[in-house]
Amino acid sequence: QSALTQPASVSGSPGQSITISCIGTSIDVGAYNYVSWYQQHPGKAPKFIISDVSSRPSGVSHRFSGSKSGITASLTISGLQAEDEADYYCSSYTATSTLVFGTGTKVTVL
Amino acid sequence: QVQLVESGGGLVKPGGSLSLSCVGSGFILSDYYMTWVRQAPGKGLEWLSYITDGGYTTYYADSVRGRFTISRDNAKNTLRLQMDRLRVDDTAVYFCARARLYTVTIDYWGQGTLVTVSS
Repeated sequence: QSALTQPASVSGSPGQSITISCIGTSIDVGAYNYVSWYQQHPGKAPKFIISDVSSRPSGVSHRFSGSKSGITASLTISGLQAEDEADYYCSSYTATSTLVFGTGTKVTVL
Repeated sequence: QVQLVESGGGLVKPGGSLSLSCVGSGFILSDYYMTWVRQAPGKGLEWLSYITDGGYTTYYADSVRGRFTISRDNAKNTLRLQMDRLRVDDTAVYFCARARLYTVTIDYWGQGTLVTVSS
């Protein structure tokens, strides 16, 4: 199972919006609406921020939103803040009943 | 609140074995699937394995199938990962994580335990 493809890095100025893509295949992202997103600050465990493509868990900022079209899922961060600087990973359930993560994206706040 | 605490990491020689444990609290372990995910130094997340709520079914990534074994003891709120025939490229921080039933969506993570495989 190959990793889902994410851009290595994305940057934006405070207050701007950025979007991170997550490209899969017809047996993972394209097959199920079970795409999740995680935020990871350096030296910390990942934090769950989006489930089921676009659902936000309780306590997660409304500035984070998710979507999907075909084999590509996306995470949008609106009103970018300094605290959003972190690594972001997507994940998807697959047709072989396994999980696959994305390659990860480093978000830099300029 | 939900907590997951891993233990058992350390230094091991190539070809050796190590057993990791994860104790959960603040929730009923048997209501969830449980998973292991690792992160090599400076690298991304890699899913390794998950076990269904009753412990009857397990799934593994190709990279560890046949070498690693996941198990759980719901009565003791404990998840385990037995790692055999370890290789240098198994060096990583190993995270225990809770996952929702059927979708295997990971919603809580432990802090991780470092496994170093080196001669």
